[in-house]
Amino acid sequence: ETGVTQTPRHLVMGMTNKKSLKCEQHLGHNAMYWYKQSAKKPLELMFVYNFKEQTENNSVPSRFSPECPNSSHLFLHLHTLQPEDSALYLCASSRQTGDPTDTQYFGPGTRLTVL
Amino acid sequence: AQSVAQPEDQVNVAEGNPLTVKCTYSVSGNPYLFWYVQYPNRGLQFLLKYITGDNLVKGSYGFEAEFNKSQTSFHLKKPSALVSDSALYFCAVRDMSAGGSEKLVFGKGTKLTVNP
Repeated sequence: ETGVTQTPRHLVMGMTNKKSLKCEQHLGHNAMYWYKQSAKKPLELMFVYNFKEQTENNSVPSRFSPECPNSSHLFLHLHTLQPEDSALYLCASSRQTGDPTDTQYFGPGTRLTVL
Repeated sequence: AQSVAQPEDQVNVAEGNPLTVKCTYSVSGNPYLFWYVQYPNRGLQFLLKYITGDNLVKGSYGFEAEFNKSQTSFHLKKPSALVSDSALYFCAVRDMSAGGSEKLVFGKGTKLTVNP
């Protein structure tokens, strides 16, 4: 449960605000992921980082800007969001990408509400 | 493209009874299948995975899943349900299309309610 932590757990922001979500993993992994979970929709992969390098951007709008300063930390910078961006944002980590048998471990998520 | 289907939005069982949460998959190549559970206001917790080998996979909290290649299914099971098992369950398959090996494709989820 504490292997992947996320802060804040809840965030309310206006459309003109700038905020950041933080994720930290204590599992010694090298890959980190951002997912979006909206009501009534399957989980959507947003970004993938492997050894601090972005390996996937799943056509995410530029108002979401990820940052991975090291293998243990992942940020998601938010600016000029829209109400439809309200969702649960989940961070995950795994040993590294490229291994189809690898397991991803998830954090508790940040519940984002955009007013 | 890889995909999974969870045909039931909701499953209700009585405490002590066996439970099954269904999942079918569609893949090109070998399937790598996962089950996760999500409790209210929490992230996803890994339960078990099928990579290769025995068709019956045992996981956390007494859960197991049966891989059936001919029926392309990977149903989650537990012999005796607990009220505390009530949660949202997700089946996922690894996307092995070109450049997609890090992608997990999730089903829409099945809400399990165990009644006392």
